[in-house]
Amino acid sequence: EVQLVESGGGLVQPGGSLRLSCAASGFTFSSYWMHWVRQAPGKGLVWVSRINSDGSSTSYADSVKGRFTISRDNAKNTLYLQMNSLRAEDTAVYYCARGFGDSSPLGPWGQGTLVTVSS
Amino acid sequence: SYVLTQPPSVSVAPGKTARITCGGNNIGSKSVHWYQQKPGQAPVLVIYYDSDRPSGIPERFSGSNSGNTATLTISRVEAGDEADYYCQVWDSSSDVFGTGTKVTVL
Repeated sequence: EVQLVESGGGLVQPGGSLRLSCAASGFTFSSYWMHWVRQAPGKGLVWVSRINSDGSSTSYADSVKGRFTISRDNAKNTLYLQMNSLRAEDTAVYYCARGFGDSSPLGPWGQGTLVTVSS
Repeated sequence: SYVLTQPPSVSVAPGKTARITCGGNNIGSKSVHWYQQKPGQAPVLVIYYDSDRPSGIPERFSGSNSGNTATLTISRVEAGDEADYYCQVWDSSSDVFGTGTKVTVL
């Protein structure tokens, strides 16, 4: 069974940092692109970042560019999102999702991890 | 940046047909994917590449895409279809989600 499990969320002060992880199982992780998508409380889905299968290419939403870094460890079947200079507007549930190239659908998705940025 | 516009809400009686639109500039030239999200749950892909259905998704779900509008159609609506629905496309190295539509089954 394909499974994605996020972890690392929590409460952090404005300006702080946090690293999210997404552990993958049930498929050949190194063959797929991976994405991070977030959802603020009561709001819609917002795409955050993606990384290709070998980690050589990344892309970010303008709202996080220069502050967030996506990476992966194919030996550990794990996706990461390093979040720096966090702001209140970064408060959201962060989902990881599997993809396989530009214009591809996303699925499956993890259950999400909540990040709260507040003093 | 590319913008996808959806109606905030759609209401439909059980057994009827719900149509959810996703508007974007020349969206017909792009591949559109649709997701269903129930409260407290992660999104689930229900339609991909405009009109294909993943395994396990009922045939009642269908999609189309032309011109400036993509449409998700849910036929013979059931109470279990009540959820938020989002369209998604890829544009200029970024993925973009629609604003989302809440489907209420009366």
